[in-house]
Amino acid sequence: DQQVKQNSPSLSVQEGRISILNCDYTNSMFDYFLWYKKYPAEGPTFLISISSIKDKNEDGRFTVFLNKSAKHLSLHIVPSQPGDSAVYFCAASGSGGSNYKLTFGKGTLLTVNP
Amino acid sequence: GAGVSQSPSNKVTEKGKDVELRCDPISGHTALYWYRQRLGQGLEFLIYFQGNSAPDKSGLPSDRFSAERTGESVSTLTIQRTQQEDSAVYLCASSSPGRGSLFEQYFGPGTRLTVT
Repeated sequence: DQQVKQNSPSLSVQEGRISILNCDYTNSMFDYFLWYKKYPAEGPTFLISISSIKDKNEDGRFTVFLNKSAKHLSLHIVPSQPGDSAVYFCAASGSGGSNYKLTFGKGTLLTVNP
Repeated sequence: GAGVSQSPSNKVTEKGKDVELRCDPISGHTALYWYRQRLGQGLEFLIYFQGNSAPDKSGLPSDRFSAERTGESVSTLTIQRTQQEDSAVYLCASSSPGRGSLFEQYFGPGTRLTVT
């Protein structure tokens, strides 16, 4: 049973345009969400996070939106750059003593075309 | 500074053999994690070490899997009697104390294990 779902395996956008990556979750106990970026042959790198008490967090070109009622979050990249081409993983953490456990989605491959 | 390192980067082994994977976390990071990523799947939590506390082994898929950590340094993940379904990339991550940073896990490049 997948608790974190990234339903789009891939996304292609033009350089300079907006990239929107989506993520849905089913576990209402999740209270912290993260996005990781992964280049081939490298480990994932932390990108941005959001707590469930917020609905938006912004860091430069990256903004994460959280809709708790819909159990949905999205990552917006504006403007998109060719160097943003990578696999993006959505991850979630629950509350309580095992909040260190991250549950990951399967990832979305973003390709930004020059 | 140095990031998380893992060795070997690639490992090909025959079914039934034992393998040992190594992780060197970032110096000063008390928390260490092992994950597995099978082809086309997300990262799957295996085990968590935090300081001198008992590790959380709840993600280990079978008793063929075990992991050790010496203090707050090197960790090894051992898979005994490997099976073909063990083929995956094994990723190690570390993080420093504090709720905010606990989630900001720093990953190594992974070890790609292929069981033939």
